[in-house]
Amino acid sequence: EAGVAQSPRYKIIEKRQSVAFWCNPISGHATLYWYQQILGQGPKLLIQFQNNGVVDDSQLPKDRFSAERLKGVDSTLKIQPAKLEDSAVYLCASNLIGGLAGNEQFFGPGTRLTVL
Amino acid sequence: AQSVTQLDSQVPVFEEAPVELRCNYSSSVSVYLFWYVQYPNQGLQLLLKYLSGSTLVKGINGFEAEFNKSQTSFHLRKPSVHISDTAEYFCAVTSDTGRRALTFGSGTRLQVQP
Repeated sequence: EAGVAQSPRYKIIEKRQSVAFWCNPISGHATLYWYQQILGQGPKLLIQFQNNGVVDDSQLPKDRFSAERLKGVDSTLKIQPAKLEDSAVYLCASNLIGGLAGNEQFFGPGTRLTVL
Repeated sequence: AQSVTQLDSQVPVFEEAPVELRCNYSSSVSVYLFWYVQYPNQGLQLLLKYLSGSTLVKGINGFEAEFNKSQTSFHLRKPSVHISDTAEYFCAVTSDTGRRALTFGSGTRLQVQP
C-alpha cells in the first residue's frame, strides 16, 4: 500500500513570501494531521482533520497559517506571509478511524521549509 | 494536557553495546505511549506502542520498552545496537479523551559508533 505522500520535499523562500504544501494521505484514512518540526525539537501538532472537518486547530497560528481538506482526502497547508521562525519540517500524518488513540499514525517524508 | 520529557538529547554508544533511551511523561488521564524513529531526511516510523496489558512491549528492529505507571516512564531499550540504529528517537503520548493527536518529546539522537 502506498504511504503518505507530500510535496514539495524542499522549499526555500524569502520572508513575507507565501508557500503551500500538499499532502495525500493513505487511501481510506479518515484522519489527517499536520505537524511542525523545528530543528532540534519534536513534532508539534498544527491541525487535525477528521474527513474534511477540523477537529483541532488550537495551535495553528491563524494569522498566517491556513489549511484545508476540501474533499476529505488531500490537504493543503499554506503560510502567508512567511516569517524566519517558520523554518521547519512540515510533516503530514494520517490514520484510520476517528483518530482512535491506539491507531498508528503514518507519517509522510515531510517538507523542509527554509525562510531566508 | 500531556507532556513528554526525553532526558537525553544525545546518546553515544558503541556497536553491539546495550542502550536505554529515557522517556518520562505527565498526564492527568490514562495515556497511550509510543516510540517513533526518524532516519535522516525521512518521516517518522513507529517502533512500538503501549495501549494496555503487559507493561513490556516489543517492537521492530529488536527494540522493547517498559511502561512504568508509578514512575510515569516508558524507557526504550535494545540489548545490542547496530550502526544502522543511528537515528533520532521520539517518545510520544496521547490519551483516549479529548484531542487525540500525539504530543512528542524533544527527541534523543542515538549515535552508534564502530
